[in-house]
Amino acid sequence: AQSVAQPEDQVNVAEGNPLTVKCTYSVSGNPYLFWYVQYPNRGLQFLLKYITGDNLVKGSYGFEAEFNKSQTSFHLKKPSALVSDSALYFCAVRDTNFGNEKLTFGTGTRLTIIP
Amino acid sequence: DGGITQSPKYLFRKEGQNVTLSCEQNLNHDAMYWYRQDPGQGLRLIYYSQIVNDFQKGDIAEGYSVSREKKESFPLTVTSAQKNPTAFYLCASETGWGTEAFFGQGTRLTVV
Repeated sequence: AQSVAQPEDQVNVAEGNPLTVKCTYSVSGNPYLFWYVQYPNRGLQFLLKYITGDNLVKGSYGFEAEFNKSQTSFHLKKPSALVSDSALYFCAVRDTNFGNEKLTFGTGTRLTIIP
Repeated sequence: DGGITQSPKYLFRKEGQNVTLSCEQNLNHDAMYWYRQDPGQGLRLIYYSQIVNDFQKGDIAEGYSVSREKKESFPLTVTSAQKNPTAFYLCASETGWGTEAFFGQGTRLTVV
């Protein structure tokens, strides 16, 4: 069975500092990995994805993530945090093995950028 | 503009009533999904459909029903059998496995 873990419920970062939101996954085959952001009372917005190729993936709003197969991780990063980055972030995984069509989400990490 | 629309944004239900949440997309996506979001639990899959006239149960399907008569529409009915229906419900669609899902703005259902 596929699963994804976001070990931190809350991450606080000072404005202008680099930020990292952690994600680890477990799949039987190769993973498709996604990051989404959610603002209050809104749907999820896609940030970036890893399907294959370069382990460093760049996405929207200056975010990037690094796929690390040996550590089964896909941490979200940004070099310089903005107050507007404050939101709820979800990591998601899909196993590429046939029959595992479902997208599994982590429990979310609330990111707060402190001015 | 292409997108996915959920309605209503807020919904109040009396205990014992069935209610239907609407989800419409004009993105020509084959796959559609319904998720339930509760604080601290992330998103849990209720039902999904890969093609018209076909759908599968997700992880928490009990007390819910769906239909997929048209490609554009995937309504979710919350029945009286759902014991704790108060939650934020999200609909999503996508074209295939490797593509990102597009989400609606959600419906917040409250039982009164």
